[in-house]
Amino acid sequence: EVQLVQSGAEVKKPGESLKISCKGSGYSFTRHWIAWVRQMPGKGLEWMGIIYPDDSDTRYSPSFQGQVTMSSDKSISIAYLQWSSLKASDSAMYYCARTMGGTAYNYLYAMDVWGQGTTVTVSS
Amino acid sequence: EIVLTQSPGTLSLSPGERATLSCRASQSVSSNFLAWYQQKPGQAPRLLIYGASSRATGIPDRFSGSGSGTDFTLTISRLEPEDFAVYYCQQYGSSFTFGPGTKVNIK
Repeated sequence: EVQLVQSGAEVKKPGESLKISCKGSGYSFTRHWIAWVRQMPGKGLEWMGIIYPDDSDTRYSPSFQGQVTMSSDKSISIAYLQWSSLKASDSAMYYCARTMGGTAYNYLYAMDVWGQGTTVTVSS
Repeated sequence: EIVLTQSPGTLSLSPGERATLSCRASQSVSSNFLAWYQQKPGQAPRLLIYGASSRATGIPDRFSGSGSGTDFTLTISRLEPEDFAVYYCQQYGSSFTFGPGTKVNIK
């Protein structure tokens, strides 16, 4: 079964760092881009950026550039999303999602497999 | 950035009725790279339609997508109880953007 399994819910204080994960299984992890999508409470979906696990090529949405860092470890089929200094406004659900296809330079595909989401709560 | 507008914001219908959801782009979507997702409360989004009109694996044929350029439509031919959810369109022809969503409510 093709699936993405995300790490569990996090509760952090403002200013703390955080790294959440997304583990792929059931498919060739290096052949599909992994996107990260934010959903704030009661709101819609926002694309944050995307990473190609084979070479860690990363593209960020301008809205999230400099705010988060995406990385991956293809040896263990895991993609990561991290913050160096969390803010209360980072409280949201974060989803990883696989693109339907992908090559080293083309990430423009729909997202056919989604993780279950990781809830991040930032509160003093 | 391509901005997507969805209408209506909320659609109140009864099971068995036909649902027509609209997604309009601020500029033409390259290669009709337009997808539709369904999201139920507490769940991750699920891909329904890609390439404007192709159903994703396992999606019932009561879901259909159409349109091109800047105007796209998702049609649910006969609503089943499990279809009441929020539906998002997404363009992936130029980076990625999502529409604000249409909530389909039980009337």
